This record gives sequence, structure tokens and C-alpha cells, in this order.
Amino acid sequence: EPEVTQTPSHQVTQMGQEVILRCVPISNHLYFYWYRQILGQKVEFLVSFYNNEISEKSEIFDDQFSVERPDGSNFTLKIRSTKLEDSAMYFCASSRFVSPTNEQFFGPGTRLTVL
Amino acid sequence: KQEVTQIPAALSVPEGENLVLNCSFTDSAIYNLQWFRQDPGKGLTSLLLIQSSQREQTSGRLNASLDKSSGRSTLYIAASQPGDSATYLCAVRQETSGSRLTFGEGTQLTVNP
Repeated sequence: EPEVTQTPSHQVTQMGQEVILRCVPISNHLYFYWYRQILGQKVEFLVSFYNNEISEKSEIFDDQFSVERPDGSNFTLKIRSTKLEDSAMYFCASSRFVSPTNEQFFGPGTRLTVL
Repeated sequence: KQEVTQIPAALSVPEGENLVLNCSFTDSAIYNLQWFRQDPGKGLTSLLLIQSSQREQTSGRLNASLDKSSGRSTLYIAASQPGDSATYLCAVRQETSGSRLTFGEGTQLTVNP
């Protein structure tokens, strides 16, 4: 069964460093998302991406964040200058269509630890 | 602003028991509601997607119901097993906020052998 994959599973970085989190969505999916979950808190939406552009972003997704689909399979989240409060589990998700009734499928997550 | 609440926060039951997890949301203008399972330190596994026009959705021992007008959903798990132990999350997709999902805080379920 097709699934969303994410690499790395765990990333440790120093405050102020740039990190890139990678995702491979399900191959015939067109809509991509990033969410995050700070330890002990709710899963929060960051950004959605369709047709090579951001379609929606939350107030969390400020100028230090960016997303890119560099080729036909990868979808990346870049954090330009990490802060301690960026430590969280980051989930990538994808859905096949843009229909509002469509199901989102999540990857296993990347645990980001900022020291 | 949509708020999603799940009660109880934690639940411990003996194996074989039938149980109900609750999810409520403040804005009833939703497209759908998804139930997920999250194992410790792991990703989210989609269990059921229930559209706003549906009342129920079933998959194996799981049954999700939706009462959109009252802002409630329940996840019924029949004949619980130790392997069902996990955190269960519900999430709604609103009509007015694009494609984002808004999540509840989850119910941590422990099924004791």
C-alpha cells in the first residue's frame, strides 16, 4: 500500500542553524501539507501546497519557514534559523485531490530537536 | 475559530470491553471529520473519514458517527484488544479554512490484557 515517507526520522541541530525536512508524498497525490506537534500539545497545521505554490498557511508559518517541491517526488520544509521552540515532531501529509472531502494521509514524522 | 475537544483525555479498559471515544467541535460548518490513531513517537494512521453528509462510517471493529448540527462525533471500538492501545485523534476540515485539519488533543487509550 502506498504511503508517505519522511527523512530523517530524527534531526538534532543547534539553535540558529538551517534544517531541511524531506517528504515523499504518495505518488499520484497532488496536495501536500506540513503539520507539527510540540510535545504534549495538539497537532497544528503549518502549510498546504498545490500546483507548485502555497495555497494556505497558518500564523505559525512565518518568514523563517519555506516549502519547495524540487522535483517530481520530494516535498521539503526548510527552517532558516532554528529556535528552541521549533523543537517538535513535523508531519508531512498528502491527499489525492483538492476536493474538500478528500482524505489526508500522514507520514511517520521527523522529530526535530533544537539545542 | 474552530476548537476541537476530546473527552476523556485518557481511558483504561480491560480487554474485550466495548468503548466510546468522544470528539466535539465548536463550528459545525465542516466538510468532514477524520479519526486517527497515533502510537507513541509515531505518525498518524487514518482510521476513518466521515463526510459531513454521512451519519456513520464503519471499518472492522471501528464505527464512527457524526452529528454535525450538534458538533459531535464518537468513535466506537468493539471488543477492544491490547493492540488497540494508542492515542486516538479526531480532526475536522472546515468549510471556511481551506484544506487544513484542526485537531483535538487526543484520547490516550490503554487496553489491559
